Amino acid sequence: AQKVTQAQTEISVVEKEDVTLDCVYETRDTTYYLFWYKQPPSGELVFLIRRNSFDEQNEISGRYSWNFQKSTSSFNFTITASQVVDSAVYFCALSEASSGNTPLVFGKGTRLSVIA
Amino acid sequence: GAVVSQHPSRVICKSGTSVKIECRSLDFQATTMFWYRQFPKQSLMLMATSNEGSKATYEQGVEKDKFLINHASLTLSTLTVTSAHPEDSSFYICSPKRTGTGAYGYTFGSGTRLTVV
Repeated sequence: AQKVTQAQTEISVVEKEDVTLDCVYETRDTTYYLFWYKQPPSGELVFLIRRNSFDEQNEISGRYSWNFQKSTSSFNFTITASQVVDSAVYFCALSEASSGNTPLVFGKGTRLSVIA
Repeated sequence: GAVVSQHPSRVICKSGTSVKIECRSLDFQATTMFWYRQFPKQSLMLMATSNEGSKATYEQGVEKDKFLINHASLTLSTLTVTSAHPEDSSFYICSPKRTGTGAYGYTFGSGTRLTVV
């Protein structure tokens, strides 16, 4: 069975600090995809990244970076020099490729508050 | 591409009435539609999965007679909350899956905030 764990329920940082959001996943498939979404107060989900299980390269996009480690089943997300606009709930999600049209399985989310 | 329109964005209804939420994929076809529900400060919980032209499959604990899903076309699906009660107050999100795109096809509507008074 697939499962996504985001152990950090809430994190609060001061602006310009770096922050890492943890995500640990469980799956029996060898082919799977991992995602991160941002959910601001408006509620709309904003896609941040998708990574397949065969691509363990870390990725950087501006102030965002992701560290994918299959050995520890983790896909952590770091925001560098955080800003107030980064305040939101962040969800990690998993899709097993072998299962056809299956829904994403979401973690419980991490609420990030960036204080000016 | 991959524009999703979900309406209404907010609705307040009286207890006992029904509410219909519409989800349209404007520039793509979606054979599969997922409906999620999100209570305050909680994660997205899958309610049901529907394939165009077929009956929806509901998750355990979700009443199929209360949450009616219609997926009659590849670009439109509706969720009707029948005889709504205050405990149905939640944020409902549709997720049309773009046909033939695998893991690259997940999209989401902007959500409907339902308040039952």
